[in-house]
Amino acid sequence: GAVVSQHPSWVICKSGTSVKIECRSLDFQATTMFWYRQFPKQSLMLMATSNEGSKATYEQGVEKDKFLINHASLTLSTLTVTSAHPEDSSFYICSARGTSGGARDTQYFGPGTRLTVL
Amino acid sequence: GENVEQHPSTLSVQEGDSAVIKCTYSDSASNYFPWYKQELGKGPQLIIDIRSNVGEKKDQRIAVTLNKTAKHFSLHITETQPEDSAVYFCAASHANNDMRFGAGTRLTVKP
Repeated sequence: GAVVSQHPSWVICKSGTSVKIECRSLDFQATTMFWYRQFPKQSLMLMATSNEGSKATYEQGVEKDKFLINHASLTLSTLTVTSAHPEDSSFYICSARGTSGGARDTQYFGPGTRLTVL
Repeated sequence: GENVEQHPSTLSVQEGDSAVIKCTYSDSASNYFPWYKQELGKGPQLIIDIRSNVGEKKDQRIAVTLNKTAKHFSLHITETQPEDSAVYFCAASHANNDMRFGAGTRLTVKP
C-alpha cells in the first residue's frame, strides 16, 4: 500500500517551453501533496504544499507563476514548470500525505522526475 | 520553525558491521520521526518511523531510537549489506505541519 507514482520519469525540453509533471497516490487519498526539488548530492528542498481544492502554499523564494501547482482531486496533483530554462533542470519529487489512520502523518514519495532543459 | 541536523554526512562500513546515523531536532512539539532511504535516481522510500510515545522501534535489521528529552533520534542498521548503500534522510514533524528533513547521510557498505 501507499504507492505514489509520477509521470513522466524523465523529460527533456527546449528552453522556453512548459512541462507538466503528474503525481498520483494510487491506493490512498491524499489531502495534502508536496513538491520538492533536489539538486545532486543535496537534500530535499520543499517548493510548495498543495491541499486538495485550494491554492498551493509556496516556500519563500519559489516563484508561484513559474511553478504552477494544481491539486484537483484527492489522488492527483500536477506541477507545471512554465517557460523552462536550463537552471530549472533538476530532480523533482512529489510526496503525498494520507488523510486518516496510520497514513495521516506519513509522507510517501514518488519516484521523481528528472527534468533537463536544453 | 523546525530545524533538523543529521550526522554524519558520509559513512563507510564493512559488510556485516553496524551503521548508526544520528539526528537532532529543535521543535519540542515534533512528534513524528520518519527515516527515508534514497537510492540513486529514485525517490525516497520510507523504511521506518517512530512516534513520540515510544522510545524505540525495530524492524528486522533496522531500529530507531528516540530521546525526547535530548531531542535526538537515531537509525541503527545491523549486519549491513551492500544493498544498504544509499542516502538516508531523517525527518521531523508534528500535527499537520511541514516535515523537515536532515541533510542526508551517504552510507557505503563495502563488500
